[in-house]
Amino acid sequence: GAVVSQHPSRVICKSGTSVKIECRSLDFQATTMFWYRQFPKQSLMLMATSNEGSKATYEQGVEKDKFLINHASLTLSTLTVTSAHPEDSSFYICSAREGQGAKYGYTFGSGTRLTVV
Amino acid sequence: GQQLNQSPQSMFIQEGEDVSMNCTSSSIFNTWLWYKQDPGEGPVLLIALYKAGELTSNGRLTAQFGITRKDSFLNISASIPSDVGIYFCAGRRARSGGSNYKLTFGKGTLLTVNP
Repeated sequence: GAVVSQHPSRVICKSGTSVKIECRSLDFQATTMFWYRQFPKQSLMLMATSNEGSKATYEQGVEKDKFLINHASLTLSTLTVTSAHPEDSSFYICSAREGQGAKYGYTFGSGTRLTVV
Repeated sequence: GQQLNQSPQSMFIQEGEDVSMNCTSSSIFNTWLWYKQDPGEGPVLLIALYKAGELTSNGRLTAQFGITRKDSFLNISASIPSDVGIYFCAGRRARSGGSNYKLTFGKGTLLTVNP
């Protein structure tokens, strides 16, 4: 089945630095990928839709200059948290859409636990 | 953003019991998906539903796409300890446009199975 690899799984960074998270579709091409944020004991909240070859579409309230998304190829999307602060600490998850026609799947990465100290 | 109404919020059951959870929405959905998430991991797809009225099984799991296209349920039969986790419903709304691939998630059902 479809596999999405997300890296790193855990990262600790100092306040003010930037962190890049990678999301790769390993055995399929993904024109559309999604980035979510999840707080403890809560559901997944969509941050942005990443479109290959074009600008990402951000959800209301998500700062595009803080959460930079690049989808330069059909198998890789990256999320960069710029000038990270402790309140950015969270679990970030990506997913990729695969399939054609009316039936398609959404495969998720294993998530990245970001801790900003 | 909009979320689906998922219930129950949590369940505590004995091993061997059956479980049922559901999601409802005021909007029409084209696709319903059920995921399971273990701690510190990403969600894993359990069942995907693409047509109103569709009933699909995956082992001990059965899910149905409501005929009104505004709801879905997931049943787990003969629960076992490894069924423990958070179950999420997710749906894709019936609308056109560049954002029509977005998923909306329920708040999750935390399942605890006592051996």
